[in-house]
Amino acid sequence: AQSVTQLGSHVSVSEGALVLLRCNYSSSVPPYLFWYVQYPNQGLQLLLKYTSAATLVKGINGFEAEFKKSETSFHLTKPSAHMSDAAEYFCAVRGSGSARQLTFGSGTQLTVLP
Amino acid sequence: DTAVSQTPKYLVTQMGNDKSIKCEQNLGHDTMYWYKQDSKKFLKIMFSYNNKELIINETVPNRFSPKSPDKAHLNLHINSLELGDSAVYFCASSPNSGSRTDTQYFGPGTRLTVL
Repeated sequence: AQSVTQLGSHVSVSEGALVLLRCNYSSSVPPYLFWYVQYPNQGLQLLLKYTSAATLVKGINGFEAEFKKSETSFHLTKPSAHMSDAAEYFCAVRGSGSARQLTFGSGTQLTVLP
Repeated sequence: DTAVSQTPKYLVTQMGNDKSIKCEQNLGHDTMYWYKQDSKKFLKIMFSYNNKELIINETVPNRFSPKSPDKAHLNLHINSLELGDSAVYFCASSPNSGSRTDTQYFGPGTRLTVL
């Protein structure tokens, strides 16, 4: 079975500061990992995904994530936070069964302070 | 053009009623999903269909019944609604359930409130 754990349900950063959102995974097979963002009252939008092609993955809106097998981590970063980054962020892992559903973490609410 | 659409966006109803949520995708995808997001924002898979065939049926009360009339549509019918059914329900689609790298595209969600 696969699972992800997101450390920190709430993260606050100042505008222009580094954003770091943590995700650790557990998987019995090589994992495929995803980060999604959910803006208030909206659906989920894919930020980036790890598919084993490269350990450093670049996504939309200046976000990137690094897959570290030794640490079983896939943390999301952005060098400089913008007010528009305030949202809920979800890490997810794709299943290994035939159905391939996503298993989500509990989410991290990012607040950007002016 | 909306890729994955859901209707209605908001649904307020009384306990015991029966209601349906509709989902349509115009991406030509083979696989569609229903997820439930609870009040703590936790997302959990409920069902998945691949080319109109049910492939995931998680531990969901049998009051919930999905129906896929064609591969572009996946509806969710809920009988005898209970207070605990209040949540946001998301529909999603992906090209092919057999690929672990496929991106799932999500609809805007349906906020169900049971009074």
